[in-house]
Amino acid sequence: EAGVTQFPSHSVIEKGQTVTLRCDPISGHDNLYWYRRVMGKEIKFLLHFVKESKQDESGMPNNRFLAERTGGTYSTLKVQPAELEDSGVYFCASSQGLKPPETQYFGPGTRLLVL
Amino acid sequence: SQKIEQNSEALNIQEGKTATLTCNYTNYSPAYLQWYRQDPGRGPVFLLLIRENEKEKRKERLKVTFDTTLKQSLFHITASQPADSATYLCALINTDKLIFGTGTRLQVFP
Repeated sequence: EAGVTQFPSHSVIEKGQTVTLRCDPISGHDNLYWYRRVMGKEIKFLLHFVKESKQDESGMPNNRFLAERTGGTYSTLKVQPAELEDSGVYFCASSQGLKPPETQYFGPGTRLLVL
Repeated sequence: SQKIEQNSEALNIQEGKTATLTCNYTNYSPAYLQWYRQDPGRGPVFLLLIRENEKEKRKERLKVTFDTTLKQSLFHITASQPADSATYLCALINTDKLIFGTGTRLQVFP
């Protein structure tokens, strides 16, 4: 069974540009999460989808970040316009059910560098 | 404020010894605590979960303890091997999301 996949693996953009990250969860997993790790800090929660609905977006840093999960399958996270402080590793995770504690399966991450 | 602390310094131990990693938290009352392993360039991989009413959990060479009075979890790897070298993260479950510590890097040398 394929795990969580993320694309691209790396992205280098200039400040002010737009970047879109993609996450494909494990097939059949209703829950999809986005997390981010900035340099030297811990991994932090950004948001949680249940199917196509946003369950919790309390971790989204500001309105430059837009996450979507059309059709309840893959998800995209768009940063527009990107700022220097957006650099970091963006992880996606998925889990099957709703009743905690569900094991979250993480993708390899997208490494974003904003210059 | 809520905080999860792990030893930020790397832990270096000799192969065959037991590695013990610490996770302390403040201003949380978690029902569950998890430990993850992360290798360079990869995402975290789930290892163990322990519930607040469990004192100890084991899985092969791994052992986790959870002391809700001390607000601390200890993660032990017995008979450590160089392949155990990685960063280990503790995470609390807060409703639907994971709250991570910064992780401790473990280096097991032959």
